Amino acid sequence: EVQLLDSGGGSVQPGGSLRLSCAASGFPFSNYAMSWVRQPPGKGPEWVSTITGSGGSRYYADSVKGRFTISRDNSDNTVYLHMASLRAEDTALYFCAKANCTGGGATCYPGHWGQGTMVVVSS
Amino acid sequence: DIVMTQSPDFLAVSLGESVTINCKSSQSVSYSSRNKNLVAWYQQKPGQPPKVIVTWASFREPGVPDRFSGSGSETDFALTISSLQAEDVAVYYCLQFYSKVYTFGQGTKLELK
Repeated sequence: EVQLLDSGGGSVQPGGSLRLSCAASGFPFSNYAMSWVRQPPGKGPEWVSTITGSGGSRYYADSVKGRFTISRDNSDNTVYLHMASLRAEDTALYFCAKANCTGGGATCYPGHWGQGTMVVVSS
Repeated sequence: DIVMTQSPDFLAVSLGESVTINCKSSQSVSYSSRNKNLVAWYQQKPGQPPKVIVTWASFREPGVPDRFSGSGSETDFALTISSLQAEDVAVYYCLQFYSKVYTFGQGTKLELK
């Protein structure tokens, strides 16, 4: 059974940093791209970033480019999102999600989702 | 970035009625030569992550009731629920994954009349 356990959220001041983690199990981790998707309170989801199965390619939304970095450790079945220069508008529930296509490429929809970890950016 | 525009934003429907939600992309999200449409539909209920229900525009995920169907190509897509059940009350989102910069529609909230 696919399991994704998001963690690392919390409250942080504007300009601060945070690292989110997503521990995956139940599937051959390196065969699948992984994404982070966020959802501000009361709003729809917004895709944030995707990393291919090998970790060789990474993609970012314009709203986070240059501030957020996605990475993965295929030996530990974990994907990370390092967030820096945080802004109030980054406040959201952050979900990690597994692509539903084998091969590890990024041209695939997020299938399984974690339960999310909340990030609040406020002074 | 590709913009996905859903319509309507809100629907109030009676049990047993048919419902159609539309999603229009700002550019084609289809590989015509391979007959692939890179659109997925998600259902989200309160307190839960989105759940994928239709992929590649028209393929129902395993376990999803056959009253859900997806259609469309190029820039125009639709999700149809043929006979609304109480458990279908949710917010529905379309997603394009044609571009490596994925984009969601703004959502359609479905309620019972």
